[in-house]
Amino acid sequence: KAGVTQTPRYLIKTRGQQVTLSCSPISGHRSVSWYQQTPGQGLQFLFEYFSETQRNKGNFPGRFSGRQFSNSRSEMNVSTLELGDSALYLCASSYGPNTDTQYFGPGTRLTVL
Amino acid sequence: AQSVTQLGSHVSVSEGALVLLRCNYSSSVPPYLFWYVQYPNQGLQLLLKYTTGATLVKGINGFEAEFKKSETSFHLTKPSAHMSDAAEYFCAVTRGGGSNYKLTFGKGTLLTVNP
Repeated sequence: KAGVTQTPRYLIKTRGQQVTLSCSPISGHRSVSWYQQTPGQGLQFLFEYFSETQRNKGNFPGRFSGRQFSNSRSEMNVSTLELGDSALYLCASSYGPNTDTQYFGPGTRLTVL
Repeated sequence: AQSVTQLGSHVSVSEGALVLLRCNYSSSVPPYLFWYVQYPNQGLQLLLKYTTGATLVKGINGFEAEFKKSETSFHLTKPSAHMSDAAEYFCAVTRGGGSNYKLTFGKGTLLTVNP
């Protein structure tokens, strides 16, 4: 069974631009979560989607948004990019919102110049 | 709210030596606990997890961890380190089930294995 896939793997943007990252969960998984990883703040939860609905949201500004499609694929969008948004963005999937294990993709490395 | 403290941001061991990575958690409800490993330029790979039942859990690559409720700890061990174990290790906690499922991670411990 294929794992979680994320595209693109690497991205370079400039301040003020917006970016969209994509995540395809493991087949059969319906819950997708997003995390931001930076050297300073570590791994921080962004949001979780299940059945096209956002169930949980972390403490990030409104510039960070996401959505989930009927096939469980998810996208996250960051508008008006700031230098501090440079990070590894990780997507994780699980069968459902109350299942215990999340499986992570390889991440998208975003660099904001 | 849950939190995780990993003692030691960097641990160095010799090949063949015992690996001990420390994790303490705080949680107001029974926790689910996880250890993940991250190799350079890769995502997180699940090593092992504790949900309920047996407090000593075995994971992949010879790692194991013991849930000690009285000490609020979930330390990761491996009897004999291998060069391929060099990576960053993250302890994570979540509340068991419910509608507020999200992983709270520790800051990570970078494991170096010396030949």
